Amino acid sequence: QKEVEQDPGPLSVPEGAIVSLNCTYSNSAFQYFMWYRQYSRKGPELLMYTYSSGNKEDGRFTAQVDKSSKYISLFIRDSQPSDSATYLCAIGSGNNRLAFGKGNQVVVIP
Amino acid sequence: NAGVTQTPKFRILKIGQSMTLQCTQDMNHNYMYWYRQDPGMGLKLIYYSVGAGITDKGEVPNGYNVSRSTTEDFPLRLELAAPSQTSVYFCASSYPGQNYGYTFGSGTRLTVV
Repeated sequence: QKEVEQDPGPLSVPEGAIVSLNCTYSNSAFQYFMWYRQYSRKGPELLMYTYSSGNKEDGRFTAQVDKSSKYISLFIRDSQPSDSATYLCAIGSGNNRLAFGKGNQVVVIP
Repeated sequence: NAGVTQTPKFRILKIGQSMTLQCTQDMNHNYMYWYRQDPGMGLKLIYYSVGAGITDKGEVPNGYNVSRSTTEDFPLRLELAAPSQTSVYFCASSYPGQNYGYTFGSGTRLTVV
C-alpha cells in the first residue's frame, strides 16, 4: 500500500465552481499535511500547511484534515482561470521526508 | 533572494553521456533533496542530504550520484545516461523540522536520446 494515494485524474471546472481534491494516507504517524501548487513548467510551491485535524482557511482555499479517516482535502472556492495548475498533496512524519501524491491537474474554464 | 536555483533549464543528452545538474540555495537550509517527476507518476526522491558532507539514497537512486561539500550546493551527477532518465528533475531545500515545507527550484528538463 502506497504511503499517499491521490487519484491523478484531471479535473475541468467552469469558472466560479468549487474545486474539491483529496488524498488518503496509510501511516498514522504522519502529522504534517501540505498542499503544493505547480504551474506548468514550474516547480511546486507550498500552498497550504496544517498539522491538526479540522479546517484551515486561506482566502479562497480551505485545507481539511481528518486524521481518524486518514483523509485530507483541498477546496478552492470561486475558482479562477489562474487556479489552473497541478495540485499535489504532501504528508510528513517529522523526519523532514515528505511523501507526495501523484497530483491532480485542474483546469478552470472561463 | 533567489531561493533554489537550478541549471541548466533544458538539456538533451545522448545515451551513454554524463552530466551534472546544478542546484544551489541561498536560504541557509540544512536539508536538500533531488526529485524526478514523470507524467502521472508524481515526485520520486532520488537522493537527499541533511547537511554538508552527508547524503543518503531515496527511492530511485540507481544511475545517479550526489555530493554535498557546502551548505549551498547539491549537484546531481548522471553517469552513462539512459532513455529511462528522461524526466524533469527538481531540487528542493528545507529547514530542519516539518513546519516550513520544501522550497523547490524551477526544474531541469532532461531528454536522453
